[in-house]
Amino acid sequence: GAVVSQHPSRVICKSGTSVKIECRSLDFQATTMFWYRQFPKKSLMLMATSNEGSKATYEQGVEKDKFLINHASLTLSTLTVTSAHPEDSSFYICSAREPGQGIDTQYFGPGTRLTVL
Amino acid sequence: KQEVTQIPAALSVPEGENLVLNCSFTDSAIYNLQWFRQDPGKGLTSLLLIQSSQREQTSGRLNASLDKSSGRSTLYIAASQPGDSATYLCAVLNPPSGTYKYIFGTGTRLKVLA
Repeated sequence: GAVVSQHPSRVICKSGTSVKIECRSLDFQATTMFWYRQFPKKSLMLMATSNEGSKATYEQGVEKDKFLINHASLTLSTLTVTSAHPEDSSFYICSAREPGQGIDTQYFGPGTRLTVL
Repeated sequence: KQEVTQIPAALSVPEGENLVLNCSFTDSAIYNLQWFRQDPGKGLTSLLLIQSSQREQTSGRLNASLDKSSGRSTLYIAASQPGDSATYLCAVLNPPSGTYKYIFGTGTRLKVLA
């Protein structure tokens, strides 16, 4: 199957700093990518849908000014957590949809563990 | 609003047992349902995907069924092994109100004892 990578896999930062997480589709072009957040022992919650060349669509309750999403190319979407605080510590997972392969063909990345001190 | 629930939340069984994980969803108008496995601190591994028109899918020791009208799916694991220990998530793909997106269940944490 297609491969989606995330970088970094793990990041620790100080409170107040900004952190950027990358999601890349390695062998296909993804017009749509999704960003999820997972708290410890909880399920995945969709944060936003990232569309190449246009603004991201955020789910209700997600602060768009805090979680900046950029999908500048067909193989890369980035999530920037601005002015991070300890409550932003979580596991962030992206997925990418391969166009022309059906609405259900989404591939998930390995996730990024963010710890804010 | 679609809600997905998984029962039980946690399960501990001896090696070799056959077991069933349950997933229920409130809105039966789904395109498909997918079962995933997640190891601690890791991403998701897709196990089985069932289209809305299908009733079951099989892969090795895994069998997933779907009863869309009643809003239920089950994941059957035969002859469980310690390596099956992980969290199992089900997710449904809803019709778009903008774009297609998966709604995930609460997960079942499985531990298979050697």
